[in-house]
Amino acid sequence: SQQGEEDPQALSIQEGENATMNCSYKTSINNLQWYRQNSGRGLVHLILIRSNEREKHSGRLRVTLDTSKKSSSLLITASRAADTASYFCATDANMDSSYKLIFGSGTRLLVRP
Amino acid sequence: GAGVSQSPSNKVTEKGKDVELRCDPISGHTALYWYRQSLGQGLEFLIYFQGNSAPDKSGLPSDRFSAERTGGSVSTLTIQRTQQEDSAVYLCASSLQGSSYNEQFFGPGTRLTVL
Repeated sequence: SQQGEEDPQALSIQEGENATMNCSYKTSINNLQWYRQNSGRGLVHLILIRSNEREKHSGRLRVTLDTSKKSSSLLITASRAADTASYFCATDANMDSSYKLIFGSGTRLLVRP
Repeated sequence: GAGVSQSPSNKVTEKGKDVELRCDPISGHTALYWYRQSLGQGLEFLIYFQGNSAPDKSGLPSDRFSAERTGGSVSTLTIQRTQQEDSAVYLCASSLQGSSYNEQFFGPGTRLTVL
């Protein structure tokens, strides 16, 4: 079964609005990562948050991690049409195979101009 | 520098044929990963290479799938006797080292269609 599950599966917003995507996972992790995939640039790493961190920022991106709830959220502020993509969270498979990432099924974000 | 490259970008084959997919990782990256992505789904881990260590093949779905990495660089994923359920995008990624703390850089993928 998948480690990470994103919610919602699809999201449509107006340009300028904020977009929030959530990810839940099942087992202990070392870190959690978010990736973006679009047809133009393929799959690109966005941000990594370690298990001992609660919040991290990168430009218009804000990621939170709640290890007690085994959940993370990705917030994109002031969205742009270019943010239209699928967003995936990825976690370590387990503490022993820390190189292995398990990806969720993704959230498809549409930002309308 | 150049990113991860994969070839071919598209492959259409008939059921039962063998296919080979190639991945050229970023120079100097010791870790190499293969994933499979079915339509509208996330990525499914297939296999992992780290330096000269034995690969982690735990994600390969059947013995029709195999992969090798020659000289610690280029990797080839081979699917024998292809089936329609093998149709997917096959993605290769490399990272500086084999740790989840290292960013994985992905190639553009090979879209495989088995008729």
